[in-house]
Amino acid sequence: NAGVTQTPKFQVLKTGQSMTLQCAQDMNHEYMSWYRQDPGMGLRLIHYSVGAGITDQGEVPNGYNVSRSTTEDFPLRLLSAAPSQTSVYFCASGRATTEAFFGQGTRLTVV
Amino acid sequence: GQQVMQIPQYQHVQEGEDFTTYCNSSTTLSNIQWYKQRPGGHPVFLIQLVKSGEVKKQKRLTFQFGEAKKNSSLHITATQTTDVGTYFCAGQGGGSRLTFGEGTQLTVNP
Repeated sequence: NAGVTQTPKFQVLKTGQSMTLQCAQDMNHEYMSWYRQDPGMGLRLIHYSVGAGITDQGEVPNGYNVSRSTTEDFPLRLLSAAPSQTSVYFCASGRATTEAFFGQGTRLTVV
Repeated sequence: GQQVMQIPQYQHVQEGEDFTTYCNSSTTLSNIQWYKQRPGGHPVFLIQLVKSGEVKKQKRLTFQFGEAKKNSSLHITATQTTDVGTYFCAGQGGGSRLTFGEGTQLTVNP
């Protein structure tokens, strides 16, 4: 099993550009989520999904969109990148009330 | 909304010393989870506590869940250099949403 796969691992964007961070899991987990990690601020929830076709906002959703058309995939879209979105992004999946499995992360720099 | 606070933010210890990190939630939790993130890595699940007053041990690590299910702690006995990393607590309320604390970054001097 690959677990949770995130692509790309590194990305540099110019302000105003859009892009999609990919996340795929092969464990048939219903719950998937996106976090951003900034120094001293822990992991902050951006968006999450409890199943295909169902998404909801987390703590810091502004500037990001998600969709969940399949159980396996949960892409995160940056609509118009801003320097404040420079961060490390983690995708995670799991069953509803048990451990979360994290991907390797995407290190995004917006210049 | 639910908030999870964790202290201290940083802890520097000499190898062999003990280490404790504390976690407090603004609301009652259904369970609390602990994760470890090595430098440059991703968070990895350590344990989940569900019952009020629960205590679990993993070798030198002891995890506690408070009686009111609003606080938790992780204690490491006799730290080793392999314990270096950031330790996060994460709480779940009624649903599946997981709220993380800010983490405690542990450095161990050999």
